Amino acid sequence: EIVLTQSPTTMAASPGEKVTITCRASSSVSYMHWYQQKPGASPKPWIYDTSKLASGVPNRFSGSGSGTSYSLTISSMETEDTATYYCQQWSSNSPITFGSGTKLEIK
Amino acid sequence: QIQLVQSGPELKKPGESVKISCKASGYTFTDYAMHWVKQAPGKGLKWMGWINTYTGKPTYADDFKGRFVFSLEASASTANLQISNLKNEDTATYFCARQIYYFDYWGQGVMVTVSS
Repeated sequence: EIVLTQSPTTMAASPGEKVTITCRASSSVSYMHWYQQKPGASPKPWIYDTSKLASGVPNRFSGSGSGTSYSLTISSMETEDTATYYCQQWSSNSPITFGSGTKLEIK
Repeated sequence: QIQLVQSGPELKKPGESVKISCKASGYTFTDYAMHWVKQAPGKGLKWMGWINTYTGKPTYADDFKGRFVFSLEASASTANLQISNLKNEDTATYFCARQIYYFDYWGQGVMVTVSS
């Protein structure tokens, strides 16, 4: 199974600050997907196919990466971005796995 | 609009069974796989497996083989998850999620509490 390691586990950012969350895979994957989850709610698709924004996602978000290293970036942190973000992979030679999550808070 | 509506919260005793449902609407049910995801209290997301909504064939992640059964009521556009011989560690929220190649729609989740 491909293990996804997210970092940091928890972070706080000030309004307007640039934020980067990384997701490292134990083996190379072709794409990475990201979900946003707020307390008491279902996860929402956020970034798919590494860099495509899901419907309704603000363009201050972006995704990038390849192989074993992927990232989600917020160009300018806003209060509404407070949430937990999970990366997820699906490869033909591995079961689906999620990262352990990054809890993002506002300072 | 596309919706996945899950059944309500459950409180069960160890050793009992539970069946939770996920009713899809707004799209052709058999065109998309349905997956199940577990989230224990305060923890992350754990993929449980999926069911082919066209053939009815289930596939289980290793940690969910044995006590877990995915099934369909295709005529009702509904996917079900049954857990038998419940254990305390089954206490969690269970989500269904539609997959294209990522999970584009999620149910609201069902909280299952196992307590004596």
